[in-house]
Parts: sequence; structure tokens; C-alpha cells
Amino acid sequence: AAGVIQSPRHLIKEKRETATLKCYPIPRHDTVYWYQQGPGQDPQFLISFYEKMQSDKGSIPDRFSAQQFSDYHSELNMSSLELGDSALYFCASSLIREGLYEQYFGPGTRLTVT
Amino acid sequence: ELKVEQNPLFLSMQEGKNYTIYCNYSTTSDRLYWYRQDPGKSLESLFVLLSNGAVKQEGRLMASLDTKARLSTLHITAAVHDLSATYFCAVEGTGTASKLTFGTGTRLQVTL
Repeated sequence: AAGVIQSPRHLIKEKRETATLKCYPIPRHDTVYWYQQGPGQDPQFLISFYEKMQSDKGSIPDRFSAQQFSDYHSELNMSSLELGDSALYFCASSLIREGLYEQYFGPGTRLTVT
Repeated sequence: ELKVEQNPLFLSMQEGKNYTIYCNYSTTSDRLYWYRQDPGKSLESLFVLLSNGAVKQEGRLMASLDTKARLSTLHITAAVHDLSATYFCAVEGTGTASKLTFGTGTRLQVTL
């Protein structure tokens, strides 16, 4: 079965640079979530989109922005990167309009800021 | 604000032994999840618990939910080395497309 696709899988950036992470949900899924997991930490919710509209927002820095496009894929844009942004970034998707709330996680993007 | 507490944080157990991981949460929720994570890998869904008294079993793992006590347990029976991983419980908030709030995770190490 098709899963959530994230690209790139690994990304190395320098401080103050910009990064864009992409997420392709499971086909037909209408909802995308972004989570950040620092080393040895639990995943922290950043933001979610349902039917291309922002649905819920967590502790996402103002330097980060995200959107969901007409084909339901999502992009997380991160600017003025800091060392503390180094983490695993997970995207998850679900099918809310059919009452299927379970979130399926992608493989993650490992971002290293040097 | 929803808070999720998980204990123990670290668990070292011998193969063949039984143990339980506990997950407490602070506010009412409709859905509780258990995930497994291997180092550097993604989150693998183990169980989805939707109602009070729900019990689900898969192999050596069994999860239960008591919504009145706001408590879920993950019981490990006759542990084997392959179960070594970090286990997270996660509670879903209310509303459409709500976030998951994760517990701190339990790092399980099963020794031979």
C-alpha cells in the first residue's frame, strides 16, 4: 500500500539559510500534519491542514511557514535556520472527510543545521 | 492544555519477562494511539484505542484504555530482543484534524 512520501530524506544547511521540506500524503488523504522531533525527544506538533486550509497550529516558530496545495501535498518552509532547528521532521496524513482520523507517518526528513 | 505522561522512561528487561508501560493524560480525548520507533526511523502505528475499556492485542503486545481514569497501558508478555525500541503513547485533541500530543516515550531494552 502507498505510504506518505517525504523529500528530501536528509538535508544539511548552514545557519541563516532556508530549507523547504515536502510531503506527499497517502492518495485520497485530505489532511496533513507536521511534527518536529529533536534528539531524544518526543515528536512535537507544528501545524496541520485540512482540505488545504490551516486547521491546527502548535509551537511553530514565526520563521517557519507551511501550506497545502491543490493536489494535497504540503511544504514546510523554514527560514533563518538555527542550530536548534536540527531535528527529524515528520509529515503524517489522514482521511478526515471519511472519519478516518488515524495519522500515518512518513519516513521523516533529517535536517542538520551547521 | 493536554498533557501526556508516560512511565517508565527507560526499561531494561530480560527476555521472557513481562512488564507494563503506563500512559496518563490530563483531559478528555476520543482517541489514544501507541507507536513504536526504532532509532532514527519513523513512527510505526501499533494500536488505536477508541473507547473506554478497549483492549487490543498483537503478538506479545496488548494495549488497553480506561477513559475514566485517563489511563492507557501497554503490556509486554514474554519479551523478546526484537521488541527493543522506543514506545510512545499519543493522545488526539478535540476538533477536526487535531494534533497528537505525545508522551515522553519509553525506551525498552530487552537483554538476552
